[in-house]
Amino acid sequence: EVQLVESGGGLVKPGESLRLSCAASGFTFSTYSMSWVRQAPGKGLEWVSSISSSSSYIFYADSIKGRFTISRDNAKSSLYLQMNSLRVEDTAVYYCARDIGRDAYSPEFDYWGQGTLVTVSS
Amino acid sequence: QSVLTQPSSASGTPGQRVTISCSGSSSNIGRKYVYWYQQLPGTAPKLLIYRSNQRPSGVPDRFSGSKSGTSASLAISGLRSEDEADYYCAAWDDSLSGPVFGGGTKLTVL
Repeated sequence: EVQLVESGGGLVKPGESLRLSCAASGFTFSTYSMSWVRQAPGKGLEWVSSISSSSSYIFYADSIKGRFTISRDNAKSSLYLQMNSLRVEDTAVYYCARDIGRDAYSPEFDYWGQGTLVTVSS
Repeated sequence: QSVLTQPSSASGTPGQRVTISCSGSSSNIGRKYVYWYQQLPGTAPKLLIYRSNQRPSGVPDRFSGSKSGTSASLAISGLRSEDEADYYCAAWDDSLSGPVFGGGTKLTVL
């Protein structure tokens, strides 16, 4: 059974940092691209970042470019999101999602984690 | 405001057919596939439609997708109470070099 379990969320102050993790199981992690998608409270979905299976290709949303860094450790079947210089507007539930990879450059996410809440507030 | 435009709400009675629209541009829907996600209250999104009109296994054929030009639609026929959820369209955007989502449509089953 495919499982994605996020962790690392919490309450931080503006300007602080946080590192999210996503532990994957039930599939060959190293063969799939992975992404982070966030959802602010009561708002819609917003794509954050994607990383290819071998980390060769990385994409970021303009809203977080230069502040967030996506990475993965295929040996540990884990996906990460290092978030620096956090802002109040980064407050959201952060989901990790598996990209089925049927087509290049497509937001086709077939499995999602349960999400981890990041709250940025003074 | 979202790159893809959806109505904020839609509604229907059980058994009815409802459609949800998604409007984009030539840099996204106009040249790329459209994807639809269903998000039930308090849960993670679920892939409903891929490649604009294909259903993943397990998704009932009551759900169908279509695309024309820079717009797309999700249709739900034989509406059921369990279809009450938020629905999001998504597509890759060549100008932004990343996926974009619609703002979401809250479907209410009356």
